[in-house]
Amino acid sequence: DAKTTQPPSMDCAEGRAANLPCNHSTISGNEYVYWYRQIHSQGPQYIIHGLKNNETNEMASLIITEDRKSSTLILPHATLRDTAVYYCIVRVAISTNAGKSTFGDGTTLTVKP
Amino acid sequence: EPEVTQTPSHQVTQMGQEVILRCVPISNHLYFYWYRQILGQKVEFLVSFYNNEISEKSEIFDDQFSVERPDGSNFTLKIRSTKLEDSAMYFCASTEETDTNTQYFGPGTRLTVL
Repeated sequence: DAKTTQPPSMDCAEGRAANLPCNHSTISGNEYVYWYRQIHSQGPQYIIHGLKNNETNEMASLIITEDRKSSTLILPHATLRDTAVYYCIVRVAISTNAGKSTFGDGTTLTVKP
Repeated sequence: EPEVTQTPSHQVTQMGQEVILRCVPISNHLYFYWYRQILGQKVEFLVSFYNNEISEKSEIFDDQFSVERPDGSNFTLKIRSTKLEDSAMYFCASTEETDTNTQYFGPGTRLTVL
């Protein structure tokens, strides 16, 4: 699985957009970009994923660059409850082994009032 | 919304004892996983399971560990003789067989070995 690089920490004001970057310059053509978050020691919570195109769901938007070497997770209106560690993971989706997720250190997002 | 569930939420055991951690994956999912997270460290992959056999395992998953799907709903992780260093959060995950195989994680079991 490709290695990802994320900033260790970021702050965001409540109500503002949080933009979390991720570099995955060695991503392969069959790897998806997944984002999860972990609040305290709870189980990682799935946020969004994408392959090539930008994606949006009720939680967030995912912007993937055209060369797929980086992506940005956007939380459009951050709240205090969005304070968490955010993980960017690249992972083979179509596989007889249904690939494992390799977690890095993630980005600790702190949303401030 | 379907969820992965895990029991117990907290397990305390003595060193050398056997523990079984239980997971109920989402009902139509076919791939199952265990991960662990030692306090303050990264989430680490332990094992994946598909079609009633182990697909992949990490170096952590040694002979002290085993997994089983004893019936159509449960997925278990057994640690035969626990060590102090097995103290961690253990997360179960599952994925359905689709073109994206999104993994969904359970809330975890906190294992404390004394």
